[in-house]
Amino acid sequence: SHELTQPPSVSVSPGQTARITCSGDTLPNQYVYWYQQRPGQAPILVIYRDTERPSGIPARFSGSSSGTTVALTISGVQAEDEADYYCQSADSSGTSVLFGGGTKLTVL
Amino acid sequence: QVQLVESGGGVVQPGRSLRLSCAASGFTFSRSAMHWVRQAPGKGLEWVAVISYAGTKTYYGDSVKGRFTISRDTSENTVNLQMNSLRTEDTAVYYCAKDGSSYGLLGPFDSWGQGTLVTVSS
Repeated sequence: SHELTQPPSVSVSPGQTARITCSGDTLPNQYVYWYQQRPGQAPILVIYRDTERPSGIPARFSGSSSGTTVALTISGVQAEDEADYYCQSADSSGTSVLFGGGTKLTVL
Repeated sequence: QVQLVESGGGVVQPGRSLRLSCAASGFTFSRSAMHWVRQAPGKGLEWVAVISYAGTKTYYGDSVKGRFTISRDTSENTVNLQMNSLRTEDTAVYYCAKDGSSYGLLGPFDSWGQGTLVTVSS
C-alpha cells in the first residue's frame, strides 16, 4: 500500500486531550514520524520512531503505535497547538517516503 | 545550528525547466541524506525525492519520476533539484529537508528550509 490515512480535522477545547490517528498497511514494519505545521511556516518534527520526542518538544506531545494504526496525543492542549499535523512513514520496499493527508487541529 | 536555504523558485511556463538549490550549513553534510518535499497551495505535504548521504542512491515520488533529478555537491554543501517538463500541478512551495537518521533515507526530517515557491503557469 502507498497510503497513510488521517482524519481531516480534530477539534478540542483548551486543556483537553487531542488524539490524531494515522493508519496504513506498512506501519507495523516501518517507523512513523509526526510533524506540526503552523500557517505560513515550515513543518517541525514533534515525534520520531513512533514514540520518541525530540529535544525542545513539550512533554504534552506523545506517540503510540498498535498494529496498522499509530496516534499522536496532545495532552492539555494549548492555543499554540492549533496547526496541521502530518504523519510520515515509508513504503514496504523502503524506497519511497509516505505522508498522511494531514489533520487540522482546531483549539476551540 | 542547522540552516537550509532554498533558492531558484519563480514563475515558469508549462513544459519548461527550473533548477532549485538548497544551501546547507551547521551540520556534517556528507553524513546526511537530503530530501525535497513540496506543498501545493492549500494542500498537504508531498515527498518529491531523496539523495543518499554519498550521492549514490536517489529515489523519487511517482508524480515526478522521469522528469525531476536530485543531485548534491559535497564541496559546496548544496543539494539541487532539476525540474524538467513542468506541469501546472507542479505548482507548490518546495522545501529542502535534512534526513535525521544515521545514513538512512526514509526520515525523519529533522530540519527544514523555509521553502521556495514554484509557479507553473502560462
